[in-house]
Amino acid sequence: SQKIEQNSEALNIQEGKTATLTCNYTNYSPAYLQWYRQDPGRGPVFLLLIRENEKEKRKERLKVTFDTTLKQSLFHITASQPADSATYLCALSDTGRRALTFGSGTRLQVQP
Amino acid sequence: EADIYQTPRYLVIGTGKKITLECSQTMGHDKMYWYQQDPGMELHLIHYSYGVNSTEKGDLSSESTVSRIRTEHFPLTLESARPSHTSQYLCASSEYVAGNRNTIYFGEGSWLTVV
Repeated sequence: SQKIEQNSEALNIQEGKTATLTCNYTNYSPAYLQWYRQDPGRGPVFLLLIRENEKEKRKERLKVTFDTTLKQSLFHITASQPADSATYLCALSDTGRRALTFGSGTRLQVQP
Repeated sequence: EADIYQTPRYLVIGTGKKITLECSQTMGHDKMYWYQQDPGMELHLIHYSYGVNSTEKGDLSSESTVSRIRTEHFPLTLESARPSHTSQYLCASSEYVAGNRNTIYFGEGSWLTVV
C-alpha cells in the first residue's frame, strides 16, 4: 500500500543550528513533492515544491532535496530560529491522483 | 496570505444536530477540497471538487456531504452530528494545473466538537 513516512518524534535543536527533516515514501511515483508548515490550530501553509527531475531546491534559509531512487526527500532549515518552531508536512501526488496526500508531519522545536 | 475563509472557526453542538461548515475562496480556483485532521494526526482527504457541480468522495470515508453550486463556495454538511465527528475540518483550494502540480491553499480550519 502507499505510504508517506515522517519522523513522528519531535526534533529539538538549538537556535542557529541546521534542522533536517526526512520524508520517505513507498509505492508512489510522484512527479512533484511539496513541503508545508503547520502551526498549532492553523491550516498548513505551502513552503516549497520540487520536481522529480530536480535534485535540490532552495528558498532563503530553506533547502529541499528529492532522491527518487531512495524515495526520500530531505528538508533543511539553516540558521534556525525559535520562530521556525512548527510542524512540517511533506505531501505528494502521483500523476492522475485527485489531490495531495500528506504525511503526518514532524514537529520542530527550536530552543533559544 | 491565502484568500480562503472558513466559518465557524469553533463550534460545539449536540448529538443529532445538523451542521454546515462554510468555505469560500476569492482566488477563482477550480479545485476545492475538504480535509479532516485530528490533533497531532495526519490530514485525510474526505471530499474534493474539480469545479461547479463536480464533487467526489476522498480517501477517508465520511458521513458528511458537500455541494459546489458556485466556484467560490464549497460547504460541508453533517445531517446528524455524532461525537465521532469531533475533529478539525480544513477547507482548501488550488488551481487546476496539468500533472497535478497543484499547490494547495488552506483555510484556518473549523474545529467541531459534538457533545
